[in-house]
Amino acid sequence: VQLVESGGGLVQPGRSLRLSCAASGFTFRDFAMNWVRQVPGKGLEWVSYVSWNSNNIHYADSVKGRFIISRDNAKNSLYLQMNSLRSEDTALYYCVKDFSTWENAFDIWGQGTMVTVSS
Amino acid sequence: EIVLTQSPATLSVSPGERVTLSCRASQSISSNLAWYQQTPGQAPRLLIYGASTRATGIPARFSGSGSGTEFTLTISSLQSEDFAVYYCQQYNNWPPYTFGQGTKLEI
Repeated sequence: VQLVESGGGLVQPGRSLRLSCAASGFTFRDFAMNWVRQVPGKGLEWVSYVSWNSNNIHYADSVKGRFIISRDNAKNSLYLQMNSLRSEDTALYYCVKDFSTWENAFDIWGQGTMVTVSS
Repeated sequence: EIVLTQSPATLSVSPGERVTLSCRASQSISSNLAWYQQTPGQAPRLLIYGASTRATGIPARFSGSGSGTEFTLTISSLQSEDFAVYYCQQYNNWPPYTFGQGTKLEI
């Protein structure tokens, strides 16, 4: 069971970046997925959620209107389109799997991809 | 938004000791609480869900309890690999999912 993020890097304020997460070892299409971020040395912040069929999507207020979560079940992949990036978006971004439909704990985490927003 | 307050922020302990970490919610979250362990340079690992159920592969020395607004994570006998940061997370009233600020266990 594995989640592997990619797409992070250094980007200027106001620009865009797209993160990807490749899932393997479980039936991706059966589970809701999330993005969680962490400023190095700081705590965890949930960013976004997408249900198994993409019918339900939610965002943290801090990213609403700027970030778009999506998934492609045929490709076992999760995405995060990040637009209008700000310095405060600088963080390690984790792709995270919901444990189950009735327990929304996060049971599988990727290793993260670092996003740095700076001029 | 539900605020989770963890205490203490840092706890200095010795191997073999029994420790109890606290997580308090700003309003009732039933038993919809999880605990995570994060060691340096690693992603968080799920320890406990449903306030008291150990996740797969988690040693029996980890136990969780509580409901409503008061929760605890107990480690019965600290091992060297347990020195880490521990976070609680609520998934009762969401969005947003919220995390506590973390408790660091140090030697």
